[in-house]
Formats: sequence, structure tokens, C-alpha cells
Amino acid sequence: DAKTTQPTSMDCAEGRAANLPCNHSTISGNEYVYWYRQIHSQGPQYIIHGLKNNETNEMASLIITEDRKSSTLILPHATLRDTAVYYCIVRPLTGANSKLTFGKGITLSVRP
Amino acid sequence: NAGVTQTPKFQVLKTGQSMTLQCAQDMNHEYMSWYRQDPGMGLRLIHYSVGAGITDQGEVPNGYNVSRSTTEDFPLRLLSAAPSQTSVYFCASRAGTSGTNEQYFGPGTRLTVT
Repeated sequence: DAKTTQPTSMDCAEGRAANLPCNHSTISGNEYVYWYRQIHSQGPQYIIHGLKNNETNEMASLIITEDRKSSTLILPHATLRDTAVYYCIVRPLTGANSKLTFGKGITLSVRP
Repeated sequence: NAGVTQTPKFQVLKTGQSMTLQCAQDMNHEYMSWYRQDPGMGLRLIHYSVGAGITDQGEVPNGYNVSRSTTEDFPLRLLSAAPSQTSVYFCASRAGTSGTNEQYFGPGTRLTVT
């Protein structure tokens, strides 16, 4: 019972922006959108999260549609080190049910 | 801060053997959890804890036990290892149960059961 849907894979050229889409049409009002990535069998790494406003940090930007049914993670200038599996996760705001549930994610390949 | 540490990094067991995977965090995080990741798959939650003395099951708890006697440590026990438990195991922690807190992951333990 997946709560998010992501393409299986995508690629982009080094130095270009990578736009990773995610659908979460059944998101609840108290659920945040989180993005994690996993580089070559390392432990997952937090990237960014948001509720309804667009967010930006030193790693990426998160654009959430007004109806909150989809979002896009943007890596503004992708590098070879950004090659990884990216997970989009929706998660309740509080409580023991606020655990992370991972899908299969999207594999991003950055080419030279 | 060392963050989340896991030992051992690699382990080979024979069917029926028992062992404990260790996980520790030095960030005073309340919430800790264990995941397993099979080849080509996402992470699946095994057990989690919202604080010392409190544990609960995730989506794949069978064959694993946990306890949380201290805030820092959250060991995962395999009572009788089976080949189906061959996987990479990740421990994670975060502060409190607020949904805004990011989760920190350890480097993983690669377990093979023959």
C-alpha cells in the first residue's frame, strides 16, 4: 500500500539541474513530505522536508504543489556524487506512527 | 559526536546460530529503529522504540527481538538465524517523536546466513 509513487530511474548531465518527481495523492493534512537518498549501500541520508511551502537548503529545493498531491526535489547543479537512490516519503507529524516507510525510490544517474 | 554506530560491519552466521547486532547513538535521541534492506529493495522497518523501556514492531518483526534499556543503545537479536535473514541491517535514530525531526542512519551491518 504505497503512499508515494516515483519513477524507477532517471539520468541527467553533470552540472545540470536534476528534477525528481513524486506523487503522493493520498497525503493527509498532517503529513510532511521527506526526501532521503542512499549512496551505494551506505545508510540513507536526510535531504529535505516540507509541509506545504517550498523549501530550500544547502543540498536541494523542494517544490510542493498547492494541492499537496505531488512534489519535486530539485538538485540545482548535479554532480557525479549525487548518483544515488532517492526516496520520497510522507510521514505523519507526530506520534509513534511517524516512522519512515521506504518504497523503492528513484535511481538517479548523473553522467559526465 | 559519533552519531549512530553499528557493530559488526560484516557477519557470517550458520543457520540456527544466534547473534546480536549492536546499535548506539550519542545524540540523546529518543526514537530508534531497525531496518533491513534486501538487494534492489527499499528499507523495511523491523522494530522501533520511542524511548527507553518502550519497543514496538514494524512491518517485518518475525525472527527478531529488541530491547531498549538505555537511551543510547538499541540492540537487535536474531534468536535462530535463517537464510532469509541475509540482508543489510540499518539502525537509525531521531530526536523525539516530532515529525519534523530528521532521521540519522548508521553505516549498516552486512549479514550473511548460510
